Amino acid sequence: EDQVTQSPEALRLQEGESSSLNCSYTVSGLRGLFWYRQDPGKGPEFLFTLYSAGEEKEKERLKATLTKKESFLHITAPKPEDSATYLCAVDSGNTGKLIFGQGTTLQVKP
Amino acid sequence: DTGVSQNPRHKITKRGQNVTFRCDPISEHNRLYWYRQTLGQGPEFLTYFQNEAQLEKSRLLSDRFSAERPKGSFSTLEIQRTEQGDSAMYLCAGGGSGVNYGYTFGSGTRLTVV
Repeated sequence: EDQVTQSPEALRLQEGESSSLNCSYTVSGLRGLFWYRQDPGKGPEFLFTLYSAGEEKEKERLKATLTKKESFLHITAPKPEDSATYLCAVDSGNTGKLIFGQGTTLQVKP
Repeated sequence: DTGVSQNPRHKITKRGQNVTFRCDPISEHNRLYWYRQTLGQGPEFLTYFQNEAQLEKSRLLSDRFSAERPKGSFSTLEIQRTEQGDSAMYLCAGGGSGVNYGYTFGSGTRLTVV
């Protein structure tokens, strides 16, 4: 059964303190790994799609990487506005449905 | 504005009542998905439409749930005889075809069953 596990569940950082979020996955055949950002009371906002091991993508202070078993979301010099829940999901089937992890809630303090 | 619109944003209903939610994706979204999200959890897949055809349903989608997508445009999700366990955020996501896809989610409908 396809499974996605994110760690840590919660992360508190000081502004400017870089860190990484982990997403471990077990799938029968990976078609894509997705990262989303979700603010309270809102729907997930698309950040990245990664397709194969070794791939990296960047957007502002965020960088996503992918191996055969896990993905990392690196946050460099975070700001308070980066505070949100970050969700990881995989697509392993023919219909494109996503299997999500439980998310990592990030709080960045000024 | 994400381009995927969901209505209503919030719905409070009494146990046993029926509720219906609507999702309007952008015109390019031939794929449409419904997910359910409870507090502290990631979204869980409910059902998938390719144009007007419903091609997959999760076992989470009991007989009380039904979804439609007439003419491959907007979609509705109906819950009959609501239960307190149905309280959740119901999310709709749209996506086009092709290799470089990234699904666009709506802002969701928050359902509270009292």
